[in-house]
Amino acid sequence: DTAVSQTPKYLVTQMGNDKSIKCEQNLGHDTMYWYKQDSKKFLKIMFSYNNKELIINETVPNRFSPKSPDKAHLNLHINSLELGDSAVYFCASSQDMMGGNEQFFGPGTRLTVL
Amino acid sequence: AQSVTQLDSQVPVFEEAPVELRCNYSSSVSVYLFWYVQYPNQGLQLLLKYLSGSTLVKGINGFEAEFNKSQTSFHLRKPSVHISDTAEYFCAVVSDYKLSFGAGTTVTVRA
Repeated sequence: DTAVSQTPKYLVTQMGNDKSIKCEQNLGHDTMYWYKQDSKKFLKIMFSYNNKELIINETVPNRFSPKSPDKAHLNLHINSLELGDSAVYFCASSQDMMGGNEQFFGPGTRLTVL
Repeated sequence: AQSVTQLDSQVPVFEEAPVELRCNYSSSVSVYLFWYVQYPNQGLQLLLKYLSGSTLVKGINGFEAEFNKSQTSFHLRKPSVHISDTAEYFCAVVSDYKLSFGAGTTVTVRA
C-alpha cells in the first residue's frame, strides 16, 4: 500500500489554466505538507497543515490554494498557471508538527506549463 | 533562521569505494538534522536523522553520519557504495516547524 500518494503523476497544461493536484496519506498522520522542487532540484516548503489547519504559508502567491477536507487529504489548486510554476510538486506527511519527526514523501507530480 | 549548506554539488564515485557528502548548518540553538535520499524520478526517503544523544548516527542502506557541534557539520558517509546508491542526497534542518533543505548532492556511482 502506498503511504503517500499523489495524482496525477504528470500534468501538462497551458498558461492561464487552473489545475489541481491531489494528495492522500494512509499513515494516520496529523500533519501534511506541499513542497516545490525546481529544475535545479532545490526543494522548498510551500504549505503545512496540521489537523486540517493551515500552519505554514511560505509566501506563496495566492494563485496557490491548498485545501484539506480531512486529515488524510491535502489538495493543491493552482489558478492562472504561469511558466514559472513548472516544477515537481511533492506532498509529504508526518505524525505531527514536532520537528524531529520523519516526513514521508509522495512520488511527486511533474507540472509542465506551456 | 537555520540553514544548511551542502559543499559538493556533484560527487562521482566508483563502485565499492567510500563516499562522504558534506553538510554544514548554521544555528545557535539545538538542531534536528536529517539526510534524505531521492532516487531518480521518486520522492524523498529518510536515510537518518540526529535529534540528540550519540553523535554517530546509523541509517538505512549502510549510511552513517556524524554530528559535530563545534564544526556545525553533519557529514554523511558510506564505506562502500553500490550502483544503486546513485541518487540525489539532501541534508536538511528543522527550524520553526519547517524542514529546510540544502541544495543537494548528486552522487553518481560508476562500475
